[in-house]
Amino acid sequence: QQQVKQSPQSLIVQKGGISIINCAYENTAFDYFPWYQQFPGKGPALLIAIRPDVSEKKEGRFTISFNKSAKQFSLHIMDSQPGDSATYFCAASKNTGNQFYFGTGTSLTVIP
Amino acid sequence: EADIYQTPRYLVIGTGKKITLECSQTMGHDKMYWYQQDPGMELHLIHYSYGVNSTEKGDLSSESTVSRIRTEHFPLTLESARPSHTSQYLCASSEFGQDTQYFGPGTRLTVL
Repeated sequence: QQQVKQSPQSLIVQKGGISIINCAYENTAFDYFPWYQQFPGKGPALLIAIRPDVSEKKEGRFTISFNKSAKQFSLHIMDSQPGDSATYFCAASKNTGNQFYFGTGTSLTVIP
Repeated sequence: EADIYQTPRYLVIGTGKKITLECSQTMGHDKMYWYQQDPGMELHLIHYSYGVNSTEKGDLSSESTVSRIRTEHFPLTLESARPSHTSQYLCASSEFGQDTQYFGPGTRLTVL
């Protein structure tokens, strides 16, 4: 059973536009929600993360919005750039990272 | 950039061969993980370790085995490779008590 559901599978955005990727989870015990960015030929790298005690976290052009009651969280990339073209994974874990559960990934393409 | 290394990066072998995928990290992290990654699928945890002489199986059933004799080294072994083992294998590590996982670049395995 998939613990974290991610959508869309792929996304094409114009340069300067907003990219939005959504994730949903079922297990209310999850207490850490990271987003990873993966470029071809590389391993995933932590982009930004949030805990359920806040509804939003912003780091530069990247923002996580978190809705605890709906059990959903999303990644917003403002002013998307071609260099943001990558695969993005959401994830969830409980008890300080004993096990992570990943979404299926979103392939983002930002066209000039 | 995280100091976690995987070798080989690419491997093509025949059915029935024994192989070992190497993973090393120089950050002194106690926790290490092996994930299997297939296109369009979530990362599946196949093994993890909380420290020397500690190994556990993850959610995804795997015919591989791991060992943790030294903190920095977490090799994964397939005794008899099969075409169903064809996949990308990602190694990761994290510091005990911290949530961030650092990933290696991955080993892409093809079993003919």
